[in-house]
Amino acid sequence: GDSVTQMEGPVTLSEEAFLTINCTYTATGYPSLFWYVQYPGEGLQLLLKATKADDKGSNKGFEATYRKETTSFHLEKGSVQVSDSAVYFCALRETSGSRLTFGEGTQLTVNP
Amino acid sequence: GAGVSQTPSNKVTEKGKYVELRCDPISGHTALYWYRQSLGQGPEFLIYFQGTGAADDSGLPNDRFFAVRPEGSVSTLKIQRTERGDSAVYLCASSITSGRDSGTQYFGPGTRLLVL
Repeated sequence: GDSVTQMEGPVTLSEEAFLTINCTYTATGYPSLFWYVQYPGEGLQLLLKATKADDKGSNKGFEATYRKETTSFHLEKGSVQVSDSAVYFCALRETSGSRLTFGEGTQLTVNP
Repeated sequence: GAGVSQTPSNKVTEKGKYVELRCDPISGHTALYWYRQSLGQGPEFLIYFQGTGAADDSGLPNDRFFAVRPEGSVSTLKIQRTERGDSAVYLCASSITSGRDSGTQYFGPGTRLLVL
């Protein structure tokens, strides 16, 4: 079945550092890909998405590019802030179905 | 506008009891989803409604779990004879099914269930 693998956490960075959180997927078709973020004490929020190969999703300084050849959707940000501290989830949605399949999440802590 | 709402926000019950968790989707969203998130894990799919009918209930772990959406809006997840292993955060999401944002799921804050 479909699956999503994220880099193991937790990740701890200093403010203004460069962030990469790796995400790779296994799917039989051509899924849509998502990054969700969960801030402390809050619910899951959609951060960005990409629906086809080579699409780049972007929001709040975060970017991720749908790479079909490497089945990856890595999350990047050039300069993180303390307020980016949260848990980040990579997810895919099958082309023929509607459920989301999530990775296990990556805890990010940004120190001032 | 208003997002997805879930009640209660927290529920503590005893092993063997029956619980109901409620989800109120975004107005106009015809698709509704239930997920379960255990501590330190990503959400796991339980069931998906399109309108009033369950389009995919393959994620329900066993027959103690049941969900309804009788009028195509509010949904209730029902758990019978609760077990300690049912303790988790239960998440609800909704989406539209046409247009540019079709299929993008928006989540509620969740109900934290603790079975003692």
